[in-house]
Amino acid sequence: EVQLVESGGGLVQPGGSLRLSCAASGFTFSSYSMNWVRQAPGKGLEWVSYISSSSSTIYYADSVKGRFTISRDNAKNSLYLQMNSLRAEDTAVYYCARAGITGTPVDYWGQGTLVTVSS
Amino acid sequence: DIVMTQTPLSLSVTPGQPASISCKSSQSLLHSDGKTYLYWYLQKPGQSPQLLIYEVSSRFSGVPDRFSGSGSGTDFTLKISRVEAEDVGVYYCMQGIHLPITFGQGTRLEIK
Repeated sequence: EVQLVESGGGLVQPGGSLRLSCAASGFTFSSYSMNWVRQAPGKGLEWVSYISSSSSTIYYADSVKGRFTISRDNAKNSLYLQMNSLRAEDTAVYYCARAGITGTPVDYWGQGTLVTVSS
Repeated sequence: DIVMTQTPLSLSVTPGQPASISCKSSQSLLHSDGKTYLYWYLQKPGQSPQLLIYEVSSRFSGVPDRFSGSGSGTDFTLKISRVEAEDVGVYYCMQGIHLPITFGQGTRLEIK
């Protein structure tokens, strides 16, 4: 069974930093590309970032480019999102999401971790 | 960015009746590889989204056959043949042909 478990969310002041983690299990993590997708309270879904299986290809949404950094450690079956210069509009539930082998951008999602940016 | 527009934004359906959700994209989702990169997700209350349909019309693992997807180019439809109580939640379409990946606004389905 595919499992994705996010952690690291919490309350942070504007301008602060936070590092999210996602622990993957139930599949060969090193073979799959991964994404972060977020959802502001009561709002829709917004794709944030993508990383290929070998970390050779990385993409970001314009809204986070230059502030967020996606990374992974295949030896630890883990995905990360380093978030710097946080803004109120970054407040959201952040989901770790697997990309399917056959080209599906997102097939499985974690349960999410809430990031609140507020003074 | 590709804009995904869903209609209606909310739907109230009697159990056992059909339901239909439309999704239109601002650009064609047909790739030169022959695939159309249109997906449907359901976010049940208090849960993370789950994949229902991939590449317009293929049901994901474990998805009941009362869910079906159709369409081409820029116009797509998700149909539920007979709505059940467990189908409540918000349905999202998503395009995956161009970055950034973008989602529709969501359609909330409730049971009458």
